[in-house]
Amino acid sequence: AQKITQTQPGMFVQEKEAVTLDCTYDTSDPSYGLFWYKQPSSGEMIFLIYQGSYDQQNATEGRYSLNFQKARKSANLVISASQLGDSAMYFCAMREGQSNDYKLSFGAGTTVTVRA
Amino acid sequence: DGGITQSPKYLFRKEGQNVTLSCEQNLNHDAMYWYRQDPGQGLRLIYYSQIVNDFQKGDIAEGYSVSREKKESFPLTVTSAQKNPTAFYLCASSTVEGRIYNEQFFGPGTRLTVL
Repeated sequence: AQKITQTQPGMFVQEKEAVTLDCTYDTSDPSYGLFWYKQPSSGEMIFLIYQGSYDQQNATEGRYSLNFQKARKSANLVISASQLGDSAMYFCAMREGQSNDYKLSFGAGTTVTVRA
Repeated sequence: DGGITQSPKYLFRKEGQNVTLSCEQNLNHDAMYWYRQDPGQGLRLIYYSQIVNDFQKGDIAEGYSVSREKKESFPLTVTSAQKNPTAFYLCASSTVEGRIYNEQFFGPGTRLTVL
């Protein structure tokens, strides 16, 4: 079964507006971490933000915030005040705590295109 | 500067040939990973290593091999047994402390094309 589901293959957003990227996850492990990465056209993966399953508050990093709804198993990324440089592919990923490895499971990604 | 380097950036291979992709890190990370990415798709784990001289298969290890003789280096060999090797390959590394929160740092990737 898919551990991470990103249902939006592509999205368009107007410059300076906010955009929400959906991510749902599946785990029975009470301890887990959720990550968002950005992949520009150059291909390199850039870490954006992290949310732990026991964190009480939603994570924020500059213009990035994570809307964490634990009961719904969703961890949506919100990008505020979009910039042209935000055009990229965005991946949600999860690490489960009870496994003895440090593997990440990735979703299929969402392509964001910011329009001027 | 600390980081992960991958070489070459582009690699062309004839069918039936083995090729080795290089991955080096100077972040002093214990764990290293290899991922494969197909166009428009997410990342799939090929192999990973948490310590020198030890490594484990990921989800799609068939047709690939790795070695971890040094902490800094984790080369990936794409063998002729890999039926569809054309893809983008990403190497990553992380610490193994603080089990949940360890972001993985990625290299710039190698784009492999089989001719």
